[in-house]
Amino acid sequence: AQKVTQAQTEISVVEKEDVTLDCVYETRDTTYYLFWYKQPPSGELVFLIRRNSFDEQNEISGRYSWNFQKSTSSFNFTITASQVVDSAVYFCALSESGSSNTGKLIFGQGTTLQVKP
Amino acid sequence: DARVTQTPRHKVTEMGQEVTMRCQPILGHNTVFWYRQTMMQGLELLAYFRNRAPLDDSGMPKDRFSAEMPDATLATLKIQPSEPRDSAVYFCASARVTGAAGELFFGEGSRLTVL
Repeated sequence: AQKVTQAQTEISVVEKEDVTLDCVYETRDTTYYLFWYKQPPSGELVFLIRRNSFDEQNEISGRYSWNFQKSTSSFNFTITASQVVDSAVYFCALSESGSSNTGKLIFGQGTTLQVKP
Repeated sequence: DARVTQTPRHKVTEMGQEVTMRCQPILGHNTVFWYRQTMMQGLELLAYFRNRAPLDDSGMPKDRFSAEMPDATLATLKIQPSEPRDSAVYFCASARVTGAAGELFFGEGSRLTVL
């Protein structure tokens, strides 16, 4: 069965600190996709990144970076020099792919990030 | 920008009343999902449709919930009769699903409070 675990329920940092959100997943699929979504206080889930299981290169987008390690089944998300606007709930998610692709996402429980000024 | 549109944004109702939530997916997307978000359970998949056909609704309480797609531009989620434990935020999401898993586009959600 597929499962996504975000062990950190809440994280609080002071602005400009770096912060890493952990995500560990379980799947028997050899082909799968991993996602991160952000849910700001307004409530809408906003897509941040998609990574397929064959691409283990780390990715950087501005202050955001993602570390995918297949060996440890982890897909961690780091925010560098955090800002108050980064305060949100962040969800990691897993999707099937290939012949078993249904498109549905299995979400972790989310990590609430609070960035204090 | 193309967006998933959900109505109503907020709904307060009394136990036993019927509630209908509506979703307009992004034009061209072939898959529509209904998720429910609560503090205790997080984001749960209730049901989803591919090309308007229901693929899986095993996440829904069958006795009171029903989901339909009467046409490609409208998905509905109905609760009858509603109960206080149904209080949650209900999200609709759509995607163009091919062999590769694509991004899900979420609506702003319908916040339901059942008194």
